Amino acid sequence: DAGVTQSPTHLIKTRGQQVTLRCSPKSGHDTVSWYQQALGQGPQFIFQYYEEEERQRGNFPDRFSGHQFPNYSSELNVNALLLGDSALYLCASSLEMGRNYGYTFGSGTRLTVV
Amino acid sequence: AQSVTQLGSHVSVSEGALVLLRCNYSSSVPPYLFWYVQYPNQGLQLLLKYTSAATLVKGINGFEAEFKKSETSFHLTKPSAHMSDAAEYFCAVSDSGGVYGGSQGNLIFGKGTKLSVKP
Repeated sequence: DAGVTQSPTHLIKTRGQQVTLRCSPKSGHDTVSWYQQALGQGPQFIFQYYEEEERQRGNFPDRFSGHQFPNYSSELNVNALLLGDSALYLCASSLEMGRNYGYTFGSGTRLTVV
Repeated sequence: AQSVTQLGSHVSVSEGALVLLRCNYSSSVPPYLFWYVQYPNQGLQLLLKYTSAATLVKGINGFEAEFKKSETSFHLTKPSAHMSDAAEYFCAVSDSGGVYGGSQGNLIFGKGTKLSVKP
């Protein structure tokens, strides 16, 4: 049973560029959340998608946007990249109806902005 | 608003010694609480979670944590450290209604504690 899959694993972008990160949830999960983990910090919640809609959002600017597809996979898009966007981006999937907080995290995408 | 404070950004123990990682939370409702472990260049792995059942929660790899409402604490312990326990540990609280239900909330993480194990 595959867990959460994220791609790519590493990415280097230039300031001002745009980036798209991808996430495939664990089999059977229908909810995807994205977190940003800066170096030496704990993960911070960006947003959560359920039924192809953004359901909750953390304290992140509109440059951060996302999408969920009918197969429950998700994308995180960041526009106008800043140096401060350099971080590990983690995707977590869960089952909404389970409500047992069975979050499964992927290994993340390491984004470096130069 | 919920929050989590992890005391000690770095803890070092000898192999075989007791591991104690401290976590205090702030929540307006009885919370759901979690401990995650992160090995270098990897994602987060759930060690254990408290969701209003027994206050002493047993997790994987011999770890356990005790929910103490009076102290607003959820410290993580392991009786005997192993070299393979060296990693970063994160305490987290759910920002939802916790034991009172509501939507499945998101996780608010502490800043983490890096555990080193000396041979």
